[in-house]
Amino acid sequence: GAGVSQSPSNKVTEKGKDVELRCDPISGHTALYWYRQSLGQGLEFLIYFQGNSAPDKSGLPSDRFSAERTGGSVSTLTIQRTQQEDSAVYLCASSTYRTYEQYFGPGTRLTVT
Amino acid sequence: SQQGEEDPQALSIQEGENATMNCSYKTSINNLQWYRQNSGRGLVHLILIRSNEREKHSGRLRVTLDTSKKSSSLLITASRAADTASYFCATDASLKRGSTLGRLYFGRGTQLTVWP
Repeated sequence: GAGVSQSPSNKVTEKGKDVELRCDPISGHTALYWYRQSLGQGLEFLIYFQGNSAPDKSGLPSDRFSAERTGGSVSTLTIQRTQQEDSAVYLCASSTYRTYEQYFGPGTRLTVT
Repeated sequence: SQQGEEDPQALSIQEGENATMNCSYKTSINNLQWYRQNSGRGLVHLILIRSNEREKHSGRLRVTLDTSKKSSSLLITASRAADTASYFCATDASLKRGSTLGRLYFGRGTQLTVWP
């Protein structure tokens, strides 16, 4: 079946502009996660959605970052007034409720110039 | 701070040799997982070991877990050039089962290179 998809695959933006990154999770997966990975680093947790529960936003690095998940499916991560330090690969993952294995999308490589 | 830390940071071996990567973590866990990443993009889940398990096998993969030492190892036997990738351990670090279900803590990974 279809895996997690993300768009765009690459995004180059100027400092100060807003960007939106999209994630389509695997159908039926109730949990959705956003991570980011800077060059040569591990994954940094950003935000976690589970069903209709309030999202765990504890990993968002600043108030310039926000995310929403509409209809329990597609999610959008928005970064306002982008900075150069926001350059990274943004990874989305999904899983079923109460299983720990996460299925990752291919990521969006964001470059802020 | 990151929960898991892999060791070594980089490993270079010949095809047919075994590759061993280690992971240390800091707090109590429910599960520990290993993931593989090719070319800096999406991760692929390899294997999960629960805190009450000591060893698990999947094909050419063998994972051990020592909760007293807060460490795990991933062994890839008879390595192939196609195993070249970054390998990450990830823990849930849940202090209370279900309290932070799903959130994973990743290390910086081990870059494995397998030469033909």
